[in-house]
Order: sequence, then C-alpha cells, then structure tokens
Amino acid sequence: ETVLTQSPGTLSLSPGERATLSCRASQSVTNYLAWYQQKPGQAPRLLIYGASSRATGIPDRFSGSGSGTDFTLTISRLETEDFAVYHCQQYGSSPYTFGQGTKLEIK
Amino acid sequence: QVQLQQWGAGLLKPSETLSLTCAVYGGSFSTSYWSWIRQPPGKGLEWIGEINHSGSTNYNPSLKSRVTISVDTSKNQFSLNLSSVTAADTALYYCARGSEHMVYYYMDVWGQGTTVTVSS
Repeated sequence: ETVLTQSPGTLSLSPGERATLSCRASQSVTNYLAWYQQKPGQAPRLLIYGASSRATGIPDRFSGSGSGTDFTLTISRLETEDFAVYHCQQYGSSPYTFGQGTKLEIK
Repeated sequence: QVQLQQWGAGLLKPSETLSLTCAVYGGSFSTSYWSWIRQPPGKGLEWIGEINHSGSTNYNPSLKSRVTISVDTSKNQFSLNLSSVTAADTALYYCARGSEHMVYYYMDVWGQGTTVTVSS
C-alpha cells in the first residue's frame, strides 16, 4: 500500500499570501495524484488531477506540481474561501490512498 | 452535469450490515468507475472500493472480507454493503465517480455524504 504523508499538518497564513502544501508518497505514483479541498460539512472537491491538471472550474491561483514521490499544491494568492482542509490522493495503484490532510487556517 | 445522490440507514447496532445506495444523474454511467470512500470523525479519507457498469469490482484489502459493492445499471445506481459492523465503522460515507486519466481513475464528482453511526 502506498502511504501518502502531507506536510505541514496545519498551515497558518493570511489572505493574499502564498500557500505551499506538500504530499510525499512512500513509492512512486508516477503522476497519478489528485488534490481535493474539503470545507466543514461538505464533500471533498477535486482541484487537481494528474499532479498538475486543474479540474473544471478551478481558479488558476491553484496549481499542482511534482512527479514520482514528491508533490506540491500551491495557492498563489489566498482568498478567504481557500481556508479549508486539503487532501492528496494517489490513484495509480490499488488500494487508492489519501494523505492525512493539511488544514489551512487564517492567521 | 453529473450529480450523485446517496442514501441509507444512519444508525446501526454492532454486527449489523451497513447498506448504502448512490444514484447517478446525468452523464454516462458506463464510462466511469464508481467508488465508496469513508471518513471517520476527525480523521482522513479511506477508499473502500469501486465498481464499473459491468460489475467488475476492486476492494480495499483492509475491508475486503466484509465489503460488497454492486451495481444496477437499469437504475444507474450502485450500492455498498458492509457486514458485521463495529464502532470502528462509524464514519461519513461518500460515493464518488471515477473519471479516466490514462487508464487510471481519479474521483471528480462526490455525493453529499451519509453519516453512519454504529452504537449499541
């Protein structure tokens, strides 16, 4: 099973700042990695698939990068609606696994 | 636009069987994989398993002995059964659509979630 480790666990930033979230895989997932945003009481929302492709309707301030075992989600200029929990997930090998999540909170 | 609507019993006793169903509205039922994922309170997401329109399944080994996912193509629905539940199965359960990316499937549309509590 591929273990995904996200860091940091919590990230405290202010609106307008840049956020950098990390996801590291215990073995290569090539580029079969997705990022999701989850707000309280809501289902996860797909942001990025294929490590770097934005999902339909996702603003271009969200970008993903990386391949193999190291991946990054960057939010270029934080808006108040971006404060949420972010999950990475690998879908290249079964069982598909998720990271434990990074909570992005307002500083 | 594809929408997923899910339902099922929310309160179970230990040893009972969890049963949830997810209906798919819009889009093509036959070109996707359909998954179940759960999220225990305060914890991360866990993939349970998936099925396609022809009934081909793939389960998480950690739950495989207790999980059955089935499909009803006449209704564009798929279902989850999890037997012999315990308190550890208490979670928010989601259904989701898998969309293809070079043979593999990422989850791009999610149901609203169903809270399942196991308590005596």
